[in-house]
Amino acid sequence: GAGVSQSPSNKVTEKGKDVELRCDPISGHTALYWYRQSLGQGLEFLIYFQGNSAPDKSGLPSDRFSAERTGGSVSTLTIQRTQQEDSAVYLCASSLGVGGYQETQYFGPGTRLLVL
Amino acid sequence: TQLLEQSPQFLSIQEGENLTVYCNSSSVFSSLQWYRQEPGEGPVLLVTVVTGGEVKKLKRLTFQFGDARKDSSLHITAAQPGDTGLYLCAGGVTGNNRKLIWGLGTSLAVNP
Repeated sequence: GAGVSQSPSNKVTEKGKDVELRCDPISGHTALYWYRQSLGQGLEFLIYFQGNSAPDKSGLPSDRFSAERTGGSVSTLTIQRTQQEDSAVYLCASSLGVGGYQETQYFGPGTRLLVL
Repeated sequence: TQLLEQSPQFLSIQEGENLTVYCNSSSVFSSLQWYRQEPGEGPVLLVTVVTGGEVKKLKRLTFQFGDARKDSSLHITAAQPGDTGLYLCAGGVTGNNRKLIWGLGTSLAVNP
């Protein structure tokens, strides 16, 4: 597609359940980023992929959070044993990944996660 | 820890007014980006400034990067209802060109 897509757009789950969030980056973009956005908290960096590897996963809040990327394209963010504080909008972005400079990141519309 | 503070947090003005939004830090950034985010969508890049003292103009929007590369401002002239949205600044981390430090944003409402 022309832009970054994310699915599902909305997810309601019960505390303790696992959820998977999907991101399809722009074709040809080798860098992929996951962020979390909560009310009053701004964008919180979670993890960055270059190709299929994750050189920077420093932002993952706990070991309940994990992410993978396959084929240098689609990425999945998994949250195990969800807690109410995990409720937020999860944003994915991609960039070309070739520049030695701060590239433009193109964002998807986000997945709104609500943990009851 | 690098932090970016944005002010004001909220701004509600009438169409035609001018406004300035600020992004401040005690840290030096390699670059500074400004994004606008509308409800239900992801942020969209408006501009990137990389040189201390740099000024960039985008129609009615003027962006400035501080001389010491620690702060930035966004000035909107003759605001229009279409300018309504959340304005976010993000600083590039020196030595890590894939990492951004984000401000909390300024929520702007321009009333007709």
